[in-house]
Amino acid sequence: AQSVTQLDSHVSVSEGTPVLLRCNYSSSYSPSLFWYVQHPNKGLQLLLKYTSAATLVKGINGFEAEFKKSETSFHLTKPSAHMSDAAEYFCVVRSNTGNQFYFGTGTSLTVIP
Amino acid sequence: ETGVTQSPTHLIKTRGQQVTLRCSSQSGHNTVSWYQQALGQGPQFIFQYYREEENGRGNFPPRFSGLQFPNYSSELNVNALELDDSALYLCASSPHLIGAGWDHTQYFGPGTRLTVL
Repeated sequence: AQSVTQLDSHVSVSEGTPVLLRCNYSSSYSPSLFWYVQHPNKGLQLLLKYTSAATLVKGINGFEAEFKKSETSFHLTKPSAHMSDAAEYFCVVRSNTGNQFYFGTGTSLTVIP
Repeated sequence: ETGVTQSPTHLIKTRGQQVTLRCSSQSGHNTVSWYQQALGQGPQFIFQYYREEENGRGNFPPRFSGLQFPNYSSELNVNALELDDSALYLCASSPHLIGAGWDHTQYFGPGTRLTVL
């Protein structure tokens, strides 16, 4: 079975400081992992995805994530937070059949001016 | 390129009623998935359609049903609405490139907010 655990339900950072959103996964095979962002009253937007190529994945808006098999982690980072980054972030693992995404419970990011 | 669109944006129904939600997939995408996102939760997979056939289903009762049409648009139908069905319903489409395998990335629409009173 596949699942993801987002270790923090809420993260607050000051504008201009680094962002770290943590995600651990559980999968019986080499997983495909995704990070999505959801702004209030908006749909889910793909930030980045890992599909067994390079372990360091770069996404949109300066975000990146590193796949660490030994730690079963896929943490999302950004060097410098911007006010517009305030949103809900979801870590997602794809099922081995490819037809289902398993979402984490989400991390709410607050950016303090 | 047109993204995933959903209608209506908001809907209010009463318990016991039936509802139909609609989704138009992104251009070139032939696979559509539906998710339910309760307030404060992550989305939960309902089912997926590929080439007008159901291609996987999550842990939802049979009163949740769907259709996919030849143009790859889709409907989600929910019968006998319950209060707990109040949620944001998300549609996502993904491409299946013939000869190149699956691209499993899912592209989400803005959702339909359903309130059941």
